[in-house]
This record gives sequence, structure tokens and C-alpha cells, in this order.
Amino acid sequence: AQSVTQPDIHITVSEGASLELRCNYSYGATPYLFWYVQSPGQGLQLLLKYFSGDTLVQGIKGFEAEFKRSQSSFNLRKPSVHWSDAAEYFCAVVQGGGNKLTFGTGTQLKVEL
Amino acid sequence: DGGITQSPKYLFRKEGQNVTLSCEQNLNHDAMYWYRQDPGQGLRLIYYSQIVNDFQKGDIAEGYSVSREKKESFPLTVTSAQKNPTAFYLCASGKVTGNYGYTFGSGTRLTVV
Repeated sequence: AQSVTQPDIHITVSEGASLELRCNYSYGATPYLFWYVQSPGQGLQLLLKYFSGDTLVQGIKGFEAEFKRSQSSFNLRKPSVHWSDAAEYFCAVVQGGGNKLTFGTGTQLKVEL
Repeated sequence: DGGITQSPKYLFRKEGQNVTLSCEQNLNHDAMYWYRQDPGQGLRLIYYSQIVNDFQKGDIAEGYSVSREKKESFPLTVTSAQKNPTAFYLCASGKVTGNYGYTFGSGTRLTVV
């Protein structure tokens, strides 16, 4: 079965600093990969997705992610973090039929002012 | 505006009682999903449905039941057989093929008292 690993449970960055959230997947073929963001007590919002083609994917809110097959990674980046980016971030991969998403355990981002 | 609505936002249940969580979407999506979220465990799939009157178990279906009588609706019943029902429940919808990625509702927090 496909799986997703987010090795960082918590990350703290200063406002204005750059951000990179790590995501590693296990899957033999080219995976369909996603990043979602969740504010406290809310649902998840799709930031970006990768299916094929250009390995650098642009998303909403100034986020981008790079698919690296050789490293089985799909890390999320932002050049300059804003205080409003504080939230929990989930990486996900499509698993099997039925368009089912398998999620990582999430990374909680804290932004220091 | 199209979207997915979960109700209620907060729900309290006494031990031994069944409770039903509502999920309605007007996005014309064929597929609908129920996830359970617990701190540090990410999202785990409970049930999903790709078509009316059909649904499949996810990874943690024990103690839960669903129905899909209408395309727009996918209610989840948490039965008394669910040993640890206190959690945040998220409903999502999406297309079965093509444009992967879900739209999420804002969630229902269930507390057993």
C-alpha cells in the first residue's frame, strides 16, 4: 500500500523566514501527490497537487512544492512565511481505486512574530 | 456557491447511544468520503462511496455505518459498538476520475460524555 511520511511533527519559524515542510512517499509508479492545510477546528483546504509533468508545482497562498522521484519526496516550500500561515499541513497520496487519499500525520507550523 | 456542509459542528453523545453526522454536497461530485481525525494520527478513512446505493469500508470502519441514498448526501452513523468515538470527523467529496483532490467540509467534533 502507498504511504506518506511527514517526519516533522512541529516546526517553528519566524515571520518572514523561508519554510520547507518535508513529505516522503512510498509508491512504485508515479504518484498523485497533494498538500492540504488545516486551520484549528476547520476542514482541509487544498494548497496544490502534482500528477505529472513539471516537477515544480505552484499553489495558492504563495506555496510551491517540488516532486523529486530520486528522493521519493514532495516537499512544500514558501519563500517568506506570514503569521497567518500558522496551521497544520498534510501531505497526501492517491491510493488504489476510488480516488482514495492516504494522508500523512501532519506537521504543525507555528510562526513567531 | 457550491460546497460541502457538515452538521452539527459540535455533538455530544452519551455512551451506548448511536449518533448520526450529516454531510451534504452540491458540487455534483460522485464520490464522498468520511475521515476520522485524532491528534498526531492524521486522517484515517472510515467509509467511502463512489456511486449512489454503494459504499466501501475504509481502514477503520468498525463501529460505523453509512448510507448513500442520494448523490448529495452521505450520513455517517457512529454506533455504540465504536469503542472510542470521541474525535473530529471530516466529510469530503470529489470526482471519481480525472481531477483528483477533495473538497472538505468544516467537520463535526463528537464528544462522548
